[in-house]
Amino acid sequence: AQSVTQPDIHITVSEGASLELRCNYSYGATPYLFWYVQSPGQGLQLLLKYFSGDTLVQGIKGFEAEFKRSQSSFNLRKPSVHWSDAAEYFCAVGISGNTPLVFGKGTRLSVIA
Amino acid sequence: EAQVTQNPRYLITVTGKKLTVTCSQNMNHEYMSWYRQDPGLGLRQIYYSMNVEVTDKGDVPEGYKVSRKEKRNFPLILESPSPNQTSLYFCASSLLRGDEQFFGPGTRLTVL
Repeated sequence: AQSVTQPDIHITVSEGASLELRCNYSYGATPYLFWYVQSPGQGLQLLLKYFSGDTLVQGIKGFEAEFKRSQSSFNLRKPSVHWSDAAEYFCAVGISGNTPLVFGKGTRLSVIA
Repeated sequence: EAQVTQNPRYLITVTGKKLTVTCSQNMNHEYMSWYRQDPGLGLRQIYYSMNVEVTDKGDVPEGYKVSRKEKRNFPLILESPSPNQTSLYFCASSLLRGDEQFFGPGTRLTVL
């Protein structure tokens, strides 16, 4: 069965610093990959997705993610974090039409001045 | 505007009192599902529906029921709520299972 691991439960970064959130998945084939963000008191919003093609994917709010097949990873990055980026981030893996999306347990991002 | 709506957003109830949380989507999506979110456990799927009149259990279905009589609606029913069902609930929809999911704003349920 496919699984998703987000190794970092909580990360704290300074405003303006760069950010990388890790996501590793376990699945034989190349899955669909997603990053969602959940701001406090809100639902989940899609940041970006990878289905195929260019392995560097651009998303909303200045985020990007890179799919690395050899490492089974889909890490989320942002060059300069803003205080409004403080939220919970979820990585998800899916295979269209066949199996449900599987979510990681999330990484909580705190941003300090 | 494409969206998933849930009602109510907040609910406090007592053990054993039946309740329904409604979910509706306006994107003509085939697939809908319910999740609960608990600290440290992430999102866990309760039930899902591949299409009208087709529903199936997710990872944590005990104590819940669903129905899918129309494509746009997917209510979550708690026949006899218990305190361990206190949680944050999300409805989501997508074109197909495994695709990008669109989430509702969430329903915070407290069972006393």
